[in-house]
Amino acid sequence: GQQVMQIPQYQHVQEGEDFTTYCNSSTTLSNIQWYKQRPGGHPVFLIQLVKSGEVKKQKRLTFQFGEAKKNSSLHITATQTTDVGTYFCAGPVWGGSNYKLTFGKGTLLTVNP
Amino acid sequence: NAGVMQNPRHLVRRRGQEARLRCSPMKGHSHVYWYRQLPEEGLKFMVYLQKENIIDESGMPKERFSAEFPKEGPSILRIQQVVRGDSAAYFCASSGGDEQFFGPGTRLTVL
Repeated sequence: GQQVMQIPQYQHVQEGEDFTTYCNSSTTLSNIQWYKQRPGGHPVFLIQLVKSGEVKKQKRLTFQFGEAKKNSSLHITATQTTDVGTYFCAGPVWGGSNYKLTFGKGTLLTVNP
Repeated sequence: NAGVMQNPRHLVRRRGQEARLRCSPMKGHSHVYWYRQLPEEGLKFMVYLQKENIIDESGMPKERFSAEFPKEGPSILRIQQVVRGDSAAYFCASSGGDEQFFGPGTRLTVL
């Protein structure tokens, strides 16, 4: 079955440093989604990438979708303590009219103030 | 503008009891998904439902777990005869398209 892998599993940075998490799928994806989950919270949708090679920015966050549509990355510039949380990528599994997401295990980001 | 609602937020059960988790999707959404999250793990898909229909239950354990989404009322995930290994956070999500909106989750603890 489809697998979505994320690295690193954990990342600890000093406030102001940059952070990147990488996501790789065993199959080509029609799109990829990124979610953020704060400690004790629930996943919150950040963005969806659809096109090969697509790059999208949200303030200090930059999301990329690989040319082959099998990998993606999330880069945070100049981290802040509010960036703390687990970042998940997720890819859809299509099956007829079904739609479900396969999530990576996530990257837990901690930021030292 | 109520989001996805789940209750209870925390549930404690003893081994062998039943756990019943409820989820009300966002207004206008007819697709409901249940996920399970173990500590320091990602979310594992369990089941996908539309009103009165189970579309995909490939992630559900074959025994003790069931889900429904009746015509009226919330979606319910039922776990019978709970065991310690069922302790986890259970999230429900709803969607009207590609993006999924998650509820706050139910943290189930089995003693």
